[in-house]
Amino acid sequence: AQSVTQPDIHITVSEGASLELRCNYSYGATPYLFWYVQSPGQGLQLLLNYFSGDTLVQGIKGFEAEFKRSQSSFNLRKPSVHWSDAAEYFCAVGASTGFQKLVFGTGTRLLVSP
Amino acid sequence: EAGVAQSPRYKIIEKRQSVAFWCNPISGHATLYWYQQILGQGPKLLIQFQNNGVVDDSQLPKDRFSAERLKGVDSTLKIQPAKLEDSAVYLCASSPIGGKGGELFFGSGTQLSVL
Repeated sequence: AQSVTQPDIHITVSEGASLELRCNYSYGATPYLFWYVQSPGQGLQLLLNYFSGDTLVQGIKGFEAEFKRSQSSFNLRKPSVHWSDAAEYFCAVGASTGFQKLVFGTGTRLLVSP
Repeated sequence: EAGVAQSPRYKIIEKRQSVAFWCNPISGHATLYWYQQILGQGPKLLIQFQNNGVVDDSQLPKDRFSAERLKGVDSTLKIQPAKLEDSAVYLCASSPIGGKGGELFFGSGTQLSVL
């Protein structure tokens, strides 16, 4: 069965600084990997996903993530954080075959300081 | 395009009472999911429908939870009787057949408090 670990519960970043959120997954086959963002009181919105091909994927709102098979990681990055990026970020892994069933990590809450 | 609609937005009940949540997915989306998100945790899949058939309900506590998706469109999730540990946000999501796997579209959720 697949699983996801997000080791950082909270991260505080100054506005304009760079950001990296960590995600490690466990899955026996080629995974489908995702990052979702959840603003307070809202549902989850897809930022980006990886299925195959180029290991560096671009998403919405200036986010990118890099798949590293050797490290079982899929870290999310943004070069310059804006105050509106404050939210909870969830990494998720899905099976590469069959009906899609996503397993989510516990999330990382991003706080942006002025 | 209208998003996934859920109601009610908030619900407060006492333990042992029953409660129901409603979800209307994006038009044309064949797959519908119910997730439970307990405070401080990631969403956990409760049940997945493909049209009006159940694909996966392995994590649904069937002694108290039930869900249906009549006519393959909107869906209802019910808890009877509720327990304190059922306090959570219940998220509904949908996705189209043939869409990129995992591209789920979520509603805003129903926040349930069991007292």
